[in-house]
Amino acid sequence: KAGVTQTPRYLIKTRGQQVTLSCSPISGHRSVSWYQQTPGQGLQFLFEYFSETQRNKGNFPGRFSGRQFSNSRSEMNVSTLELGDSALYLCASTDRTSGAADTQYFGPGTRLTVL
Amino acid sequence: AQSVTQPDIHITVSEGASLELRCNYSYGATPYLFWYVQSPGQGLQLLLKYFSGDTLVQGIKGFEAEFKRSQSSFNLRKPSVHWSDAAEYFCAVAHNNNDMRFGAGTRLTVKP
Repeated sequence: KAGVTQTPRYLIKTRGQQVTLSCSPISGHRSVSWYQQTPGQGLQFLFEYFSETQRNKGNFPGRFSGRQFSNSRSEMNVSTLELGDSALYLCASTDRTSGAADTQYFGPGTRLTVL
Repeated sequence: AQSVTQPDIHITVSEGASLELRCNYSYGATPYLFWYVQSPGQGLQLLLKYFSGDTLVQGIKGFEAEFKRSQSSFNLRKPSVHWSDAAEYFCAVAHNNNDMRFGAGTRLTVKP
């Protein structure tokens, strides 16, 4: 099976702009989670979508939002970008058929730079 | 709340030497435990996981980890390190709700 794909891989924006990142999970996986990775804060959970519904949410401001489509592809949006939003954004795909904690498979990430 | 501690920020070992990366977790019940590796500019690759059963878990690339409930630890080991193992390693813990928490990571440098 193809792995998790994220587009774009690199993005440069300026403060105040908004950005949309895309994630395509492994075929058959219905859960997509998003993480922000920065040198100072490490890996932080943003949110998880399962069957088009947000299932879990981390401690991030409302500027960070997401959605999931019927084909399980997910998008993450950040509005009114701040310098501190510069980070590697990782998407993880999970099967989630057993109901327990399943293995998350990560994409290569999108590197967002805010100038 | 569940949490993960990786006490070593950076470790340097010689190629061919053994390796142990430490991971301690804080959680009320038996958690699901994972080790991931991240090469520069890349996403995270799963090395191994522990859900239940045998406390010694074998993973890819010759890695293994041992779950010790009494010590709340899940240390990663490799008997002989290769130069290609240089990367950042993350320990993670998850509960049934799949809210995965990561440690701060340990950066591994391999000396020739």
